[in-house]
Amino acid sequence: EDKVVQSPLSLVVHEGDTVTLNCSYEVTNFRSLLWYKQEKKAPTFLFMLTSSGIEKKSGRLSSILDKKELFSILNITATQTGDSAVYLCAGRPNTGNQFYFGTGTSLTVIP
Amino acid sequence: DTGVSQDPRHKITKRGQNVTFRCDPISEHNRLYWYRQTLGQGPEFLTYFQNEAQLEKSRLLSDRFSAERPKGSFSTLEIQRTEQGDSAMYLCASSWTAGHYNEQYFGPGTRLTVT
Repeated sequence: EDKVVQSPLSLVVHEGDTVTLNCSYEVTNFRSLLWYKQEKKAPTFLFMLTSSGIEKKSGRLSSILDKKELFSILNITATQTGDSAVYLCAGRPNTGNQFYFGTGTSLTVIP
Repeated sequence: DTGVSQDPRHKITKRGQNVTFRCDPISEHNRLYWYRQTLGQGPEFLTYFQNEAQLEKSRLLSDRFSAERPKGSFSTLEIQRTEQGDSAMYLCASSWTAGHYNEQYFGPGTRLTVT
């Protein structure tokens, strides 16, 4: 059964800290892994990763995929209170268009 | 605003009633997805359209749920004989088949409460 597991489930840090969020996946005939940020509304797209070992970066956020070990990490440096959200990762298979989402990591950044 | 829109944003209904939700995708997107999200969980895939064709349905989707996308633009999701377990956020997403890769853009969701 295809599944995506995220850890930790929740995290509380102080502003300025660096955090690493983990996502492991078991997706048959894997194509890509996506990261989303969800505040009190719909998820917003952050990154799509398809190639192993190539870092995607956007400002203070970066992500990398390890297709051999079947996981991805999302790093956030110099966290700000506006980074507080649930971070979701999703795996997509090569066949079909069903995206398998993890339960998310709830990040709280306190001033 | 040219993003994905959903209507209504909130719906409260009594158990046993039928409800219908609408999703308007980003205009140039040909793929449309419906998800259900309950508290503390990630979005759960329900169904997917490419243009007007419904190509995939989750095994979890009971026969009380039906979705349409008659002209390949907006889509509706109907739930018949609602049950309390149907209470959730219903998310719509759209994407474009640009080559090999396509990310989904989500709408704001319709929060359903069944009393």
